[in-house]
Amino acid sequence: DIVMTQSPDFLAVSLGERATINCKSSQSVLYSSGNKNYLAWYQQKSGQPPRLLISWASSRESGVPDRFSGSGSGTDFTLTISSLQPEDVAVYYCQQYYDTPPWTFGQGTKVEIK
Amino acid sequence: EVQLVESGGAVAQTGGSLRLSCEASGFTFDDYTMHWVRQAPGKGLEWVCLINWDGGSRHCADSVKGRFTISRDNSKNSLFLQMNSLTTEDTALYYCAKGADRNGYGYYFDYWGQGNLVTVSS
Repeated sequence: DIVMTQSPDFLAVSLGERATINCKSSQSVLYSSGNKNYLAWYQQKSGQPPRLLISWASSRESGVPDRFSGSGSGTDFTLTISSLQPEDVAVYYCQQYYDTPPWTFGQGTKVEIK
Repeated sequence: EVQLVESGGAVAQTGGSLRLSCEASGFTFDDYTMHWVRQAPGKGLEWVCLINWDGGSRHCADSVKGRFTISRDNSKNSLFLQMNSLTTEDTALYYCAKGADRNGYGYYFDYWGQGNLVTVSS
């Protein structure tokens, strides 16, 4: 199984500042023939189900604010919130869908306001 | 609007059984692979089981294999999870989730239900 490891576990950022979350997979999730990274990011606010933010490592879902961006390739990925807003307080998870089943998630990164 | 509404969660004894249901609306249910994902209290996300569009392909995580069975009734736009031989480790919020794409197992999950709590006590 592919192991997904996020860092840090907890992140406190001032309003309007940048938040950066890292995700590392134990093996590459890049499908070379299509040049696509099989990596998604989800946001989970307290008491709510996860919400899909980004697929294919960098493709933002409809309705997701453009302050959210995804980058990276192969085994190393980043979710960036360019200017943290109060409504961005949540736990963020990365997920690989390259080698399934099983689908595997990172352990989560909790983002709070400093 | 896509909606996934779970039901059937409850308190069960160790060794007991429960059946979860998920009713889908807002999309062509029998076009998509569906999944169950769980989240233990205060913990992260764990994929549980999948079933493809016609039920011909089913897979479950090693942690539940042989104890949980996933099924679907496309005529009722419904997904099910039969959980047997429950242990305290199965205590979690169980989400049904929709595969994002009609191809294969749908890649990632684009819609999630609100979750249904299963508590297993000894």
